[in-house]
Amino acid sequence: KAGVTQTPRYLIKTRGQQVTLSCSPISGHRSVSWYQQTPGQGLQFLFEYFSETQRNKGNFPGRFSGRQFSNSRSEMNVSTLELGDSALYLCASSLGDRAEAFFGQGTRLTVV
Amino acid sequence: GESVGLHLPTLSVQEGDNSIINCAYSNSASDYFIWYKQESGKGPQFIIDIRSNMDKRQGQRVTVLLNKTVKHLSLQIAATQPGDSAVYFCAENKNNFNKFYFGSGTKLNVKP
Repeated sequence: KAGVTQTPRYLIKTRGQQVTLSCSPISGHRSVSWYQQTPGQGLQFLFEYFSETQRNKGNFPGRFSGRQFSNSRSEMNVSTLELGDSALYLCASSLGDRAEAFFGQGTRLTVV
Repeated sequence: GESVGLHLPTLSVQEGDNSIINCAYSNSASDYFIWYKQESGKGPQFIIDIRSNMDKRQGQRVTVLLNKTVKHLSLQIAATQPGDSAVYFCAENKNNFNKFYFGSGTKLNVKP
């Protein structure tokens, strides 16, 4: 079965722009979580969606937002990009609560 | 945020030896833990999990030990192979759906 798909794989944006990243979970998985991974801060939780509802949110500014569609696909948006937003953004899907999470390969965002 | 740290950032072992990767967590309310493996260019991959009502759990060549008294988690890999070379993360959850706090990671180098 297909794994978690994240698009695009690589992205270069300019400071002040906004960006939208996409995540298609494994079929049947209703929980989608997003993480930011940087060398300095490691893996940090951004938010989790389940059945189109945000269930959890991490400690990120309001410039980071997300949503989930009825088919469980999820998007995250970052507005007014800053250099510090450069990171690998990972999406993970799970069948249920506190079940095995399957990660995508991530989207590498570079802000210049 | 939560503090989930690792004692050693880099661990080098000889092929065939056993590896032990350690993790300290700070929140005594955490009751579910996962070890992930991340290879270069890939998203984290689930290895094994353990709930707080257990002290030990075994998988294929891997064992996770949980010591709640000192809030310590370890991952033991038996007969380490070159394919085990990766960064290993522990992650904790405190009954909060799929919101996980990740440790900073330990890089495992397996020497042939």
